[in-house]
Order: sequence, then C-alpha cells, then structure tokens
Amino acid sequence: GESVGLHLPTLSVQEGDNSIINCAYSNSASDYFIWYKQESGKGPQFIIDIRSNMDKRQGQRVTVLLNKTVKHLSLQIAATQPGDSAVYFCAENIVANDYKLSFGAGTTVTVRA
Amino acid sequence: DSGVTQTPKHLITATGQRVTLRCSPRSGDLSVYWYQQSLDQGLQFLIQYYNGEERAKGNILERFSAQQFPDLHSELNLSSLELGDSALYFCASGRDRVYNSPLHFGNGTRLTVT
Repeated sequence: GESVGLHLPTLSVQEGDNSIINCAYSNSASDYFIWYKQESGKGPQFIIDIRSNMDKRQGQRVTVLLNKTVKHLSLQIAATQPGDSAVYFCAENIVANDYKLSFGAGTTVTVRA
Repeated sequence: DSGVTQTPKHLITATGQRVTLRCSPRSGDLSVYWYQQSLDQGLQFLIQYYNGEERAKGNILERFSAQQFPDLHSELNLSSLELGDSALYFCASGRDRVYNSPLHFGNGTRLTVT
C-alpha cells in the first residue's frame, strides 16, 4: 500500500493498493472527527467519523485511526478503486462547542489504473 | 444525493452587486451551516442557524448576512461583491449537534464575480 507520513496535498495510488491519508488536527480540545470525500463538482460527502474515546473505527473498506497524543488522524482505504479519486478532508469538532466543524487542508487522491 | 438542495448552481455577477444563495436542508434537519470554499483557503465556516436562530458565526464578512426561515430553508446574502468573493459556497444541514448527526452538504453554488 501507499502512505504518507506527513500531510501531503496529493497522493497517487495504484488501483487495488491500500491508501493512507494523514491529517494533523489543530485543536487539542477537539473530541470528534470526521472524514469527508469531495468529488469534482460536488459537495463534501461523509465517509466515517470517530470520537475521542476511540482510537480506531472501521467502515466499509475504510478505517480511521486517531492518535490524540500527537493530534493525528488517518484514513485508510482498502483496495483503492478509481471511484476513490477525490479530495479528502478531515474535520474536527469540540463536542461541548457544538457549532463549528473545522476542516483541514484536503488531500487529492488520484487512482492509477 | 445528500438531500440538501442549493440554488442556483452557478452565479456570475459584477463587482458591487448583491446576490442571494438559497439552501433547503434535508428533511428533518434543523441546523443549517454555510461554508465558503476557495482555492487557497479550503472550507471556511461562515455561519450556523438552528431552527431559525443564529447559533454561531465564523469568518463571515460584514457584507454577508444570512437567515433561516420558518420552513427551515436558509438564504445567504452577499452584498457589495468583490473579486475575492468568487468561490464555492456550500450549505450543510444536520439534525442537531454535530456529533449526533454529521453534516451533510449540498453541491454548492459557484459564484464568479467579474
């Protein structure tokens, strides 16, 4: 699989490989995190979320890992497909301060056939 | 389809003008959020309404205003437009608190100011 140790704005992945997208979140008080996928010409689409009392959560072909010690979030996509090509954003929220969902800089994932 | 409807999809206007962007939230959602997405700034939170009342403000300019109507649809008004206001404007809706119901986004309104 391919991965980035630091947040990089672009990631090129071979179809069928696993992808790892990283995100360093900004606020140590954040306790709820979401990954969104944005395809060209569309709005962000919810993928998976995780609360700070967890360090791992799995969905369909996706896994989110949370490391609160270093304020790091990652999204793993298994068996990457052409339809996974998109911009991926992590977003953070402070549950006690409901109102704001803050987005990180996105990562553009391109799947090579 | 997220269930959030935004109109118009595209808007081209001149500097100094005023425009109104409209958003219909998903059925049952009481919260509406507005975000601005530009190439160099990512997704920036502008303002949130819950059941008709303003709940939070982000980086919203004084030239911009919004409201949420009794039927829960929302409008974002942008006035005295400048070239730098060109961006994608997204509306998102949620049932109540963010952690109970992640936001669902519409497909945005692309505003071009010439």
